[in-house]
Amino acid sequence: GQQVMQIPQYQHVQEGEDFTTYCNSSTTLSNIQWYKQRPGGHPVFLIQLVKSGEVKKQKRLTFQFGEAKKNSSLHITATQTTDVGTYFCAGYLTDSSYKLIFGSGTRLLVRP
Amino acid sequence: GAGVSQSPRYKVTKRGQDVALRCDPISGHVSLYWYRQALGQGPEFLTYFNYEAQQDKSGLPNDRFSAERPEGSISTLTIQRTEQRDSAMYRCASSSQGENTEAFFGQGTRLTVV
Repeated sequence: GQQVMQIPQYQHVQEGEDFTTYCNSSTTLSNIQWYKQRPGGHPVFLIQLVKSGEVKKQKRLTFQFGEAKKNSSLHITATQTTDVGTYFCAGYLTDSSYKLIFGSGTRLLVRP
Repeated sequence: GAGVSQSPRYKVTKRGQDVALRCDPISGHVSLYWYRQALGQGPEFLTYFNYEAQQDKSGLPNDRFSAERPEGSISTLTIQRTEQRDSAMYRCASSSQGENTEAFFGQGTRLTVV
């Protein structure tokens, strides 16, 4: 069946270092969303990308959607302790506009 | 309401008992999702409602799991004859409509089957 995988599974960085998580789908996605889940919390929406090759920025966060609409990345510049959490990508399949599938997530730990 | 509300927050039940988990979505949200999230994993799709219609239940693990949303608002996920492997966080999410809208998650129900 369809799968959305993320790598790495964990990333432990020193505060101030950069961080990147990669999301790959086995099938084409109509769009990609990114969510952040703090420890003990629930997933919270960050951003959505719709167009092939789209790049969006939110302060220190940069999001990209691949040309083939099957992969995406989230890059955080100069991490801070407030960035700690698990980052999930999620996408709607092109053949099923209502089924929102989540990736496996990347857990980010930041050493102060 | 102001956000997605799920109840109970925690449920401990004995193996073999039935449980009903409730989700009250954001007022006016058409789409409602149920997910199951194991520790350290991403939310696993269970089922989706558009208004009161259950349009996709392909993620329900087996026929012990069912869900309804009779009036297009509150939804209930029912697990019959619970088993220990059903222990997980069950999350509900709602969105205004369609694929280009964000999903708002509730706090979840932590189910423990003993």
